[in-house]
Amino acid sequence: GAVVSQHPSWVICKSGTSVKIECRSLDFQATTMFWYRQFPKQSLMLMATSNEGSKATYEQGVEKDKFLINHASLTLSTLTVTSAHPEDSSFYICSVWGSLAGGEVTDTQYFGPGTRLTVL
Amino acid sequence: AQSVAQPEDQVNVAEGNPLTVKCTYSVSGNPYLFWYVQYPNRGLQFLLKYITGDNLVKGSYGFEAEFNKSQTSFHLKKPSALVSDSALYFCAVPSGAGSYQLTFGKGTKLSVIP
Repeated sequence: GAVVSQHPSWVICKSGTSVKIECRSLDFQATTMFWYRQFPKQSLMLMATSNEGSKATYEQGVEKDKFLINHASLTLSTLTVTSAHPEDSSFYICSVWGSLAGGEVTDTQYFGPGTRLTVL
Repeated sequence: AQSVAQPEDQVNVAEGNPLTVKCTYSVSGNPYLFWYVQYPNRGLQFLLKYITGDNLVKGSYGFEAEFNKSQTSFHLKKPSALVSDSALYFCAVPSGAGSYQLTFGKGTKLSVIP
């Protein structure tokens, strides 16, 4: 399967600042990347879906101007939380879908390890 | 809409005993079903999937799942639980026919007691 990394693994920032989270796929052509957020003891909530080279599609209720997503290449997507506030504190997880190194298209999403964001 | 339900918030099992984590589904057409596991402060790890074929699907770490069409269930099982199996388990289904977006169940916390 695909190996997906996220950076940073955790971040603490002051209210009002912006935070960028990177999601990278290794040996995997990530045609599509997904961004989720997860609150304690809750399931994953899909925030947005991004296709390489296209604008992201946001789920209802997710502010696109607050959560900026860039998917400029098949191996990298970034989520920027702009003007972060304490209520944005959460666990952010990315996942990828696409094709493996040999060209086989996967039918499974592969997840990154997550980024813990704490906004003071 | 495609959906899955995990009726149990928490399952406790003694180490060495068999474990079952329940999942029922509601889909149109042939179901694609997935199980993922999440360890504390980690992303989700793929365990297994059912696409078609044998009703008993074998996955990672000794887990298996049984697809039951008549009961619309896809329960996760393991013959002998380990303390290290303690984690959060999610059942998932594609959000729509042919979709690669996933809809997750609410999750079941498994605690294996030494």
